[in-house]
Amino acid sequence: EAAVTQSPRNKVAVTGGKVTLSCNQTNNHNNMYWYRQDTGHGLRLIHYSYGAGSTEKGDIPDGYKASRPSQENFSLILELATPSQTSVYFCASGDRGINQAPLFGEGTRLSVL
Amino acid sequence: GDSVTQTEGLVTLTKGLPVMLNCTYQTTYSPFLFWYVQHLNEAPKLLLKSSTDNKRTEHQGFYATLHKSSSSFHLQKSSVQLSDSALYFCALSDSNTDKVVFGTGTRLQVSP
Repeated sequence: EAAVTQSPRNKVAVTGGKVTLSCNQTNNHNNMYWYRQDTGHGLRLIHYSYGAGSTEKGDIPDGYKASRPSQENFSLILELATPSQTSVYFCASGDRGINQAPLFGEGTRLSVL
Repeated sequence: GDSVTQTEGLVTLTKGLPVMLNCTYQTTYSPFLFWYVQHLNEAPKLLLKSSTDNKRTEHQGFYATLHKSSSSFHLQKSSVQLSDSALYFCALSDSNTDKVVFGTGTRLQVSP
């Protein structure tokens, strides 16, 4: 069954610390995405990837880096976490064309204190 | 770049009534449109998708028609149920990119 798995599911970090959010997909999808969800803003795209070794900036990339070392794995890195990055983060994977509708993981709730 | 507009932040209805949630989009390429539903503390799940102009697509009692002439993809249901209470997102991609952008979402609250 198609699956996207995120870890950790919950994270508390300190301001200025480094945070890595991990995502694994078993769908053999080329595309992977990182979104954050905040009330009033919907789902905003941070970074996405077309395949292993590629990363593209989304609409709100500032303060975030991404890494796609393999087809299955896509990480989001906050080098210097700030309280404004407190949010729920969703990873998703998708195919090409009309089949690219992202399939979402269960989300990571991040609090930066 | 591509963008999606959902004008209603909150829609409240009594069960059994019809609903339409608005979605308009902007892109310079051929569009792929999606509707997602997100229940409380869950991940968004795909509800509908379309890339065909003027063709109605349906799933789980919900339906939508992509109208390229008006850049719209409104979500409708003829009779809402209590279980339809959720957050609904419209999303867009296009033939030029695999980037998928979402609207701000519409919360549907159905009361008894």
